[in-house]
Amino acid sequence: DSGVTQTPKHLITATGQRVTLRCSPRSGDLSVYWYQQSLDQGLQFLIQYYNGEERAKGNILERFSAQQFPDLHSELNLSSLELGDSALYFCASSVFAGRGPTDTQYFGPGTRLTVL
Amino acid sequence: GQNIDQPTEMTATEGAIVQINCTYQTSGFNGLFWYQQHAGEAPTFLSYNVLDGLEEKGRFSSFLSRSKGYSYLLLKELQMKDSASYLCAVRDPITSGTYKYIFGTGTRLKVLA
Repeated sequence: DSGVTQTPKHLITATGQRVTLRCSPRSGDLSVYWYQQSLDQGLQFLIQYYNGEERAKGNILERFSAQQFPDLHSELNLSSLELGDSALYFCASSVFAGRGPTDTQYFGPGTRLTVL
Repeated sequence: GQNIDQPTEMTATEGAIVQINCTYQTSGFNGLFWYQQHAGEAPTFLSYNVLDGLEEKGRFSSFLSRSKGYSYLLLKELQMKDSASYLCAVRDPITSGTYKYIFGTGTRLKVLA
């Protein structure tokens, strides 16, 4: 158990819908990262928040957005869902913003999203 | 461009040693990580290299050559539970103090009895 929690574990929805995925980082971690993992694809970095502010952006679609709240939990919002958005969505957390030599990311169990 | 290459699949026998290679081409470099991921589960951290050389951690060792853009993960005394995907990831600076992590697609290791 990494200490990172994600809800829900599974989500099934229809095309065109909007969903929210939630992540709580490990106690003491200030950074939250979101990743998408599709079948046969590596982990794709979406976005990072550090202490409530957006820190880095990866391959995040405009239909997706995220935020980090004062209590440091984060939410990833996916809208106008398409079949291709079906994937495992992982959240990870680290103590700092990644600048430390051993600022390792610890991953949550993931949310499996199925778009029908 | 940004690229991380790993073999797709490898097979080895219980008790043996296996080496999983990773080559990378990224615009910057601030460390290389190895993660283990069992099917449908979260990646778990195995090792970190930022300087050239070998880092040893029990049955797992990781090597880095920055000049060659190359790393490997060495697993000794293989056990059945080592059957998993092994992900290589590079931390790439975007701006000063800002980083992104680029992951390879992973190497699926099957350990046979």
